[in-house]
Amino acid sequence: NAGVTQTPKFRILKIGQSMTLQCTQDMNHNYMYWYRQDPGMGLKLIYYSVGAGITDKGEVPNGYNVSRSTTEDFPLRLELAAPSQTSVYFCASRGLAGAENEQFFGPGTRLTVL
Amino acid sequence: AQSVSQHNHHVILSEAASLELGCNYSYGGTVNLFWYVQYPGQHLQLLLKYFSGDPLVKGIKGFEAEFIKSKFSFNLRKPSVQWSDTAEYFCAVNDLRTGANNLFFGTGTRLTVIP
Repeated sequence: NAGVTQTPKFRILKIGQSMTLQCTQDMNHNYMYWYRQDPGMGLKLIYYSVGAGITDKGEVPNGYNVSRSTTEDFPLRLELAAPSQTSVYFCASRGLAGAENEQFFGPGTRLTVL
Repeated sequence: AQSVSQHNHHVILSEAASLELGCNYSYGGTVNLFWYVQYPGQHLQLLLKYFSGDPLVKGIKGFEAEFIKSKFSFNLRKPSVQWSDTAEYFCAVNDLRTGANNLFFGTGTRLTVIP
């Protein structure tokens, strides 16, 4: 299993541009999450999904959108990039059974908005 | 919302020194607790977790953590650190009140181990 994969690894955007961060997992996990990690800070939850077709906001959803059309994919969309969205973005997934189950993380996407 | 505090921002130790990293959380109800590690340039990996039973849990690479419910704490320990333990360590709490049992992370502790 590849686990959780994310593309791209790095990206530089200009203010106002849009882009989609891709996230795919091959573990048949129902739960998927998007986090951002700012320097010196912990991870903050942007959006999450409990299954295909179901998404919900996390702590910091403004400026982002998500969709979940399949179990495997959970893309994160930035419509109008702003410098405040410069961050490292991590996607994670978790299996259905048991809240104690760990989240598995992807390698991250480092985004810079200039 | 749940909040998680990690009081040590950056810890520098010599090899073979003992390590203890503090973690406190705010919610007093049922929680699951995790420690994740992020090695330089890598993604987060699970070190250990607590969800019930023995409050002293053992994880990978010789790490352990103790859940003290009365203190809302879940401190990470290792008796003797190695250079390869240099990494960032994140405490996380799984808030069972949320629809997806979301994780709340602390701000992280950077550990530097000097050979």
